[in-house]
Amino acid sequence: NAGVMQNPRHLVRRRGQEARLRCSPMKGHSHVYWYRQLPEEGLKFMVYLQKENIIDESGMPKERFSAEFPKEGPSILRIQQVVRGDSAAYFCASSPPSGTWGYTFGSGTRLTVV
Amino acid sequence: QKEVEQDPGPLSVPEGAIVSLNCTYSNSAFQYFMWYRQYSRKGPELLMYTYSSGNKEDGRFTAQVDKSSKYISLFIRDSQPSDSATYLCAIPDQGAQKLVFGQGTRLTINP
Repeated sequence: NAGVMQNPRHLVRRRGQEARLRCSPMKGHSHVYWYRQLPEEGLKFMVYLQKENIIDESGMPKERFSAEFPKEGPSILRIQQVVRGDSAAYFCASSPPSGTWGYTFGSGTRLTVV
Repeated sequence: QKEVEQDPGPLSVPEGAIVSLNCTYSNSAFQYFMWYRQYSRKGPELLMYTYSSGNKEDGRFTAQVDKSSKYISLFIRDSQPSDSATYLCAIPDQGAQKLVFGQGTRLTINP
């Protein structure tokens, strides 16, 4: 029973490029959450999605960031025109409909903007 | 004021010591409290959770909540080198399916 799969594990982008981070939830999990962890900081909520729906995007920066969870395939966190301040570890978690009690995190994608 | 505050450490103790990790929170409406453990280069994993005030014990780990002072603690007895990790307190946001995390405390247990 594979856990939450995130890829790539490491991603290097030059300033101005686009970054695409993928997350495949655990089997049977229909809810996906994205968190960002800046160096020496805790995790900050970004967005909560269900299949084909964004439920809560209160933690997403207003510009350049978007997320989707299509009917088929993984959830995608997309960062356009990356800047150095976007360098961080991005974690995806999934849960069954019961929500936060069934959270399982992936191992994260470490984005470095050069 | 941050919703959840945690001393980031780092904290280094000898093997066998009792470790105390702490967080404070600002919203008195919070009811559930969680502790996550995060090994280097890994995602967080749920260690323990408690509801309201009181203690909860699981093996060498004890979680404690004092709602009157908005203070939560995690105690580790007989600490082992394998306990070396970052420990994050987390609180489910009231009515929302998201977690509010403390900054995390980096703990090292020295053999």
